[in-house]
Amino acid sequence: QVQLVESGGGVVQPGRSLRLSCAASGFTFRNYGMHWVRQAPGKGLEWVAIISYDGSNKYYADSVKGRFTISRDNSKNTLYLQMNSLRAEDTSIYYCAGATSGYVGWFDPWGQGTLVTVPS
Amino acid sequence: QSVLTQPPSVSGAPGQRVTISCTGSSSNIGAPYDVHWYQQLPGTAPKLLIHGNSNRPSGVPDRFSGSKSGTSASLAITGLQAEDEADYYCQSYDSSLSGSVFGGGTKLTVL
Repeated sequence: QVQLVESGGGVVQPGRSLRLSCAASGFTFRNYGMHWVRQAPGKGLEWVAIISYDGSNKYYADSVKGRFTISRDNSKNTLYLQMNSLRAEDTSIYYCAGATSGYVGWFDPWGQGTLVTVPS
Repeated sequence: QSVLTQPPSVSGAPGQRVTISCTGSSSNIGAPYDVHWYQQLPGTAPKLLIHGNSNRPSGVPDRFSGSKSGTSASLAITGLQAEDEADYYCQSYDSSLSGSVFGGGTKLTVL
């Protein structure tokens, strides 16, 4: 079945880096764009970044631009989010999600999320 | 402050009908970009509920319906059930931000 599994979350000190991974299975990963979405504790959803099916196009939310980098390895069916210069306000559950309907479309499927905590 | 505006909470008794509004602007819903809805049950990841303003993915009960007009959209839930208690989010694309945007979320309480 279609599945996205995130990993790599944890507690990281302000200013440090962390890389998240999202392993895809059950669909042809290389054919679809992919998103990262985050959710701070008790808060709503915030779109973070999107990457095209082949990795040639990437777009970011202003809140992470210049600090986060989205990438993918289609040979490994894996999506990544490199997070640098982390801040307390980056504390969130990070979800990967499929952009199966294109850049302006809906998010489906979703992973279960991985928690990133940056102490203040 | 979210680009798309939703009421923080709505409630209804079992069997009743509730609606959740989502208000945007001319750079997103009114552009016009489609509106999509997600259901997030407590402690779980969001799940696609409605796509393309009014389309239900396979497996979503027809008690859930969506509509859009101008710069606003609505999610309607009829025949409320206890298992519908969740957070609901609308989502669209914003051309001025060059990215997807979400509403702040609405907590549905089934009385």
